[in-house]
Amino acid sequence: QLHLQESGPGLVKSSETLSLTCTVSAGSITISSSSYFWGWVRQPPGKGLEWIGSFYYSGNTYYNPSLKSRVTISVDTSKKQFSLNLTSVTAADTAVYYCARHVRTVTRIEGVNWFDPWGQGTLVTVSS
Amino acid sequence: SYELTQPPSVSVSPGEMAKIACSGDVLPKQRAFWYQQKPGQAPILVMYKDTERPSGIPERFSGSSSGTTVTLTISGVQAEDEADYYCQSADSSGNYVVFGGGTKLTVL
Repeated sequence: QLHLQESGPGLVKSSETLSLTCTVSAGSITISSSSYFWGWVRQPPGKGLEWIGSFYYSGNTYYNPSLKSRVTISVDTSKKQFSLNLTSVTAADTAVYYCARHVRTVTRIEGVNWFDPWGQGTLVTVSS
Repeated sequence: SYELTQPPSVSVSPGEMAKIACSGDVLPKQRAFWYQQKPGQAPILVMYKDTERPSGIPERFSGSSSGTTVTLTISGVQAEDEADYYCQSADSSGNYVVFGGGTKLTVL
């Protein structure tokens, strides 16, 4: 059964770069189906879910417009890992960060986007 | 920016029916999905493509769609169903994912 696990520093200083890695096991990150993307979602303490961005292993990447200027998602297929970099962080970036498989099919008739499974999440605190 | 609107809270007694609505202008062209999140846990998918229930999700969970509103219904609510529920879809292009603000279901 596909499993995702986030890893990275739990504490980042304000104005620096937040870097997290998601490791995929019991499955392939390079699934040839164009429906399988990989994404990041975050949740500030006590608040709701916010999509950060998603990518397809061979190129297509989509970012939340509100974060686009600060976000980069990259992949290392040999390690079955993908990573999140968020620059110039502030206290507002303190959150639990989740990685997840993003199943996506968009046609002229309908759009389908969902996340399953999710990693367990990792709390990142931005300190001043 | 595109938004999905959910009520912040719903309360029901055990055995009753809970309905959580989610509205958004581009529903139903952009299909809706529902996640359950319990404290300290990652979200899990409980409904996909508006009305489809993933394997392993109890039959008391169902979904419906009418116009620009989708609804998650839990029939015969149990104490274990107490959680936050999030609807999720995308903007009109299908390229940018959006979550609703979440609904806290309280089982009295």
